Amino acid sequence: DAGVIQSPRHEVTEMGQEVTLRCKPISGHDYLFWYRQTMMRGLELLIYFNNNVPIDDSGMPEDRFSAKMPNASFSTLKIQPSEPRDSAVYFCASSLQENSYNEQFFGPGTRLTVL
Amino acid sequence: SQQGEEDPQALSIQEGENATMNCSYKTSINNLQWYRQNSGRGLVHLILIRSNEREKHSGRLRVTLDTSKKSSSLLITASRAADTASYFCATVSLGTGANNLFFGTGTRLTVIP
Repeated sequence: DAGVIQSPRHEVTEMGQEVTLRCKPISGHDYLFWYRQTMMRGLELLIYFNNNVPIDDSGMPEDRFSAKMPNASFSTLKIQPSEPRDSAVYFCASSLQENSYNEQFFGPGTRLTVL
Repeated sequence: SQQGEEDPQALSIQEGENATMNCSYKTSINNLQWYRQNSGRGLVHLILIRSNEREKHSGRLRVTLDTSKKSSSLLITASRAADTASYFCATVSLGTGANNLFFGTGTRLTVIP
């Protein structure tokens, strides 16, 4: 398996533009997570899905952020409109719920810069 | 919000020396995990220790857990230049989703060849 795949790896956009980040989890994994990492706030969980259903979106900063998982092999995180403070590295991770102790597998991240 | 804090924030050692990083957390946990992040890359799982375990080994890694002090330590023995990375502890709190990890602030380790 190629691991968790994220695209694009880098995104530079201007304030006010819509940004869509994409993630393909590891095949067979039933949990998918979106994180944001910044120097100031560290690694923050934004939202996670179980079997394509959003379970906890309490970490989503505001209504400008939305996430979908239309099927087991694809998820998107959308920011509309984007702002400079959204600049960060966004990670997608997946895991398999066999028991309560499973590790998460992270993608390489998308570095977002909003000018 | 972040659950844990690593100490120190940065650590620089010579190759061959041992590196010890500490993690403190706030609430009762189900388990604690350590991850490594190389610069510009995603996090990689290193080791997991359950709340009823006190010590665990994996290769050159040794993890301890003291639930009474709500703390954990990660020891890397005989460090190598390739160990240079940031190390994060992550906890799964009791009563929360089993896959809901709370990450600490990280320790940046530099191993000088």
